[in-house]
This record gives sequence, structure tokens and C-alpha cells, in this order.
Amino acid sequence: EIVLTQSPATLSLSPGERATLSCRASQNINIFLAWYQQKPGQAPRLLIYDASKRATGIPARFSGSGSGTDFTLTISSLEPEDFAVYHCLQGDNWPPTFGQGTKMEIK
Amino acid sequence: EVQLVESGGGVVRPGGSLRLSCAASGFTFDYYGMTWVRQVPGKGLEWVAAIDWNGDSPSYADSVKGRFTISRDNAKTSLFLQMNSLRAEDTAFYHCARNAGSGTHSRWFDPWGQGTLVTVSS
Repeated sequence: EIVLTQSPATLSLSPGERATLSCRASQNINIFLAWYQQKPGQAPRLLIYDASKRATGIPARFSGSGSGTDFTLTISSLEPEDFAVYHCLQGDNWPPTFGQGTKMEIK
Repeated sequence: EVQLVESGGGVVRPGGSLRLSCAASGFTFDYYGMTWVRQVPGKGLEWVAAIDWNGDSPSYADSVKGRFTISRDNAKTSLFLQMNSLRAEDTAFYHCARNAGSGTHSRWFDPWGQGTLVTVSS
């Protein structure tokens, strides 16, 4: 089973700043990585799939990059509603597995 | 609007059973495979089970294999998870989610329901 390691565990930033979140896979997963945003009491929301494709309705400030084992989610300029937990998911190798999450908090 | 609404969670004793349901609306249900994912409150996500559009080829996480059964009723646009021999470590929110395509295997899941809480405790 593929292990996904997200870093950092917690990211403290201010609105307007740039956020860079990392997800590293224990083996090659090609481009088959997705990113989710989850707010308290809500379902995870798909942001990015296939490493770099924005899901429907996701603002352009969210972008994804990477392939193989190293992936990055970038939020170009944080809005107040972006402070949440972010999860990565690999869908290349069955069973699908998730990272442990990165909590983005207001500094 | 695409919507998934789970129900059936509750408190159950170790060794007990529960049946979760997921009511789907706003899309052609029998075009898509479906999945259950669970989340211990405040913790990460764990894939539990998946099924293809026709109810064939179910797949399970090792942690639930032999205890949980995923099924669907396309006429009622509903997904189910029968959970038997429940353990304390099964305590979690259980979310249903739509697969990217019609198969059991999916590279991502979208959308998800808000989840139903299952608590296994004596």
C-alpha cells in the first residue's frame, strides 16, 4: 500500500500570503494525485485531480503540480475561507490512500 | 445539484451491526461507481469499500474485509454499507462519495456526503 506523507502538519499564514503544501508518495504514482479541502463539519471538497487539473468551480488561486513521488498544492494568495485542512489522495495503486492532512491556520 | 446524504449511524456495542445508507440525487446514479470513506474525528481519511455501477466487483480495505458489505440499489439511487462484527476501531464518520467513472476503481472521489457518525462502545 502506498504511503502519502504530507508536510507540514500545520501551516500558519496570513491572508494574502502564498501557501505551499507538500505531499510525498512512498513510490511512483505517476500523476494520479488529488487534493481536497475540508472545513470543520463539512465533507471534503475536491480541488485538484490528476496532479494539476482544477475541479469544476475551484478558483484559479489553487494550483497543483508534480509527478512521480513529489506533489505540491499552491494557493497563490490566501483568502479567509481558505483556512482549513488539506488532504492528498493517490489513485494510482489500489487501494487508494490518503495523506494525514495539513492544517492551514491563520497566523 | 449533485447531493449525497448518509444516514444510519449511531451507537452500537462491540460485536454489533449497523447498516448505513447513502441517498444520491442530482445525477445519473447508475453511471457511476461509488465508495465509502471513513474519518476518525479529528484524524485522517481511510478508504473503506467501493463498488462499480452495476453492483459488481466490490472491493474492501483489509481492515474491514469479511465484516463489511457494500451494495447498491440503482432503482432507489442508494448506496449501502452493512457493517457486522463492529469493533471500537471502526468508530468514525462514514462518508459516501461518487467515483470518477463507472468502475470500482477510481483516481478521485467527487462529491462526498457530509457523513454519518458510527460509535462503537460498550
